[in-house]
Amino acid sequence: KAGVTQTPRYLIKTRGQQVTLSCSPISGHRSVSWYQQTPGQGLQFLFEYFSETQRNKGNFPGRFSGRQFSNSRSEMNVSTLELGDSALYLCASSLASGVAKNIQYFGAGTRLSVL
Amino acid sequence: AQKITQTQPGMFVQEKEAVTLDCTYDTSDPSYGLFWYKQPSSGEMIFLIYQGSYDQQNATEGRYSLNFQKARKSANLVISASQLGDSAMYFCAMREVMNRDDKIIFGKGTRLHILP
Repeated sequence: KAGVTQTPRYLIKTRGQQVTLSCSPISGHRSVSWYQQTPGQGLQFLFEYFSETQRNKGNFPGRFSGRQFSNSRSEMNVSTLELGDSALYLCASSLASGVAKNIQYFGAGTRLSVL
Repeated sequence: AQKITQTQPGMFVQEKEAVTLDCTYDTSDPSYGLFWYKQPSSGEMIFLIYQGSYDQQNATEGRYSLNFQKARKSANLVISASQLGDSAMYFCAMREVMNRDDKIIFGKGTRLHILP
């Protein structure tokens, strides 16, 4: 069974640009969550989508948005990039949502550098 | 308030020794799940082990076991017979199920170095 696939793996952008990251979950998984990882802040939750609906949202500005398609694939978009947006963006998929035993499986991440 | 605390930023352990990575958590939700993940330098987060708050026994997965002490709100990861490939960052995480805000919260992580 294929794991979580994130594309692209690496991305270099300049301030003010926008970027779209893609995540294909494990087959059968309907929940997709996104995280931002930086050395200073650690792993921070961005949002979770389940059955094309945003279920949870972290404390990030509106420049960060996402969506989920009917095949459970998800994209996240960051508009008007800032230097501080440089980070590893991780996507995780899981079977369900809203239960304690909801194991998330992660992709390899997209490393975004903003110059 | 920080919900997941990992007090060891870094650890050095000799190969083949057992390792205990500390994790304490804070929650008022009676139903929650605790997770450990490993993150090698490649960046991918690898799920290791899960413990539910109502589980009677400590979770085990191969060389990994979780020392769950509910009253102390402690969920330490034990790696038996460490190997060079265990060198990585390790994250403790918790999911609360109270209300609908059940996102996973991660600790700051512990960087484990296994010495040959």
